[in-house]
Amino acid sequence: GESVGLHLPTLSVQEGDNSIINCAYSNSASDYFIWYKQESGKGPQFIIDIRSNMDKRQGQRVTVLLNKTVKHLSLQIAATQPGDSAVYFCAENIRKTSYDKVIFGPGTSLSVIP
Amino acid sequence: DTAVSQTPKYLVTQMGNDKSIKCEQNLGHDTMYWYKQDSKKFLKIMFSYNNKELIINETVPNRFSPKSPDKAHLNLHINSLELGDSAVYFCASSQERSYNSPLHFGNGTRLTVT
Repeated sequence: GESVGLHLPTLSVQEGDNSIINCAYSNSASDYFIWYKQESGKGPQFIIDIRSNMDKRQGQRVTVLLNKTVKHLSLQIAATQPGDSAVYFCAENIRKTSYDKVIFGPGTSLSVIP
Repeated sequence: DTAVSQTPKYLVTQMGNDKSIKCEQNLGHDTMYWYKQDSKKFLKIMFSYNNKELIINETVPNRFSPKSPDKAHLNLHINSLELGDSAVYFCASSQERSYNSPLHFGNGTRLTVT
C-alpha cells in the first residue's frame, strides 16, 4: 500500500539547537521527495526538495538527507528558531504512467522552546 | 498577491446541505488539486486536474464533484453533506506534473458540518 511517515507526532527543541525530523516511505519507485512546513491556519509551504538521484541537498538552514536503501528521509534544521514551530510533512511523488501522485506523511509537530 | 486563493475560509453548515468551495491560482500552473486534512493533520489527495481534465479521483464519494472551468480554477462542490465531511480542504497547484515541481497550497477552507 501507499504510506509515508513514521509516527513521531511531536518534537520539542530548545531555541538555537538543531532539529532533526525523520520520515519513512514505502514506495521504492518514488523519484521526488519534498518537505513542507505548515503553520497554524495556513496551507503547507514548500521548504526543500530532493530527487532520487541525490542523497543530500542543502538550503538556507535546512538540509534534507535521502537514504534509498532503507527508504528514509530526514529534515535537519540548524539553529532552530521560534518561527520554525510548525507541523512538518514529508511527501513523496509516486510516478504513474500518465500522472503523478503526491503522498504526504502523517506530519511532525515541532515546538521550539525559547 | 495571493498565489493560490480559496474561498470561503470558514464554512459552517448543517447535514444534508450542498456547498461549494472555490479555488483560483494566478501562477500559470497547469495542474490543480484538492486535498483533505483531517483532525489529526493527515493530508489526503482527493482530486487532480491537468489543463481542465480530471487526472486523479481518489475513491472520493460521488457527493464530491470537482469542476474546472479553466486551468486557473478548480472548484469543489459537495452534495448532501455528512458529519464526516468536516475537515480542512486545501486547494493546490503545480507547474506541469508534480514529479517536476512542488505543490503550492492555498490557506484552506475549514468545513464544519453540524
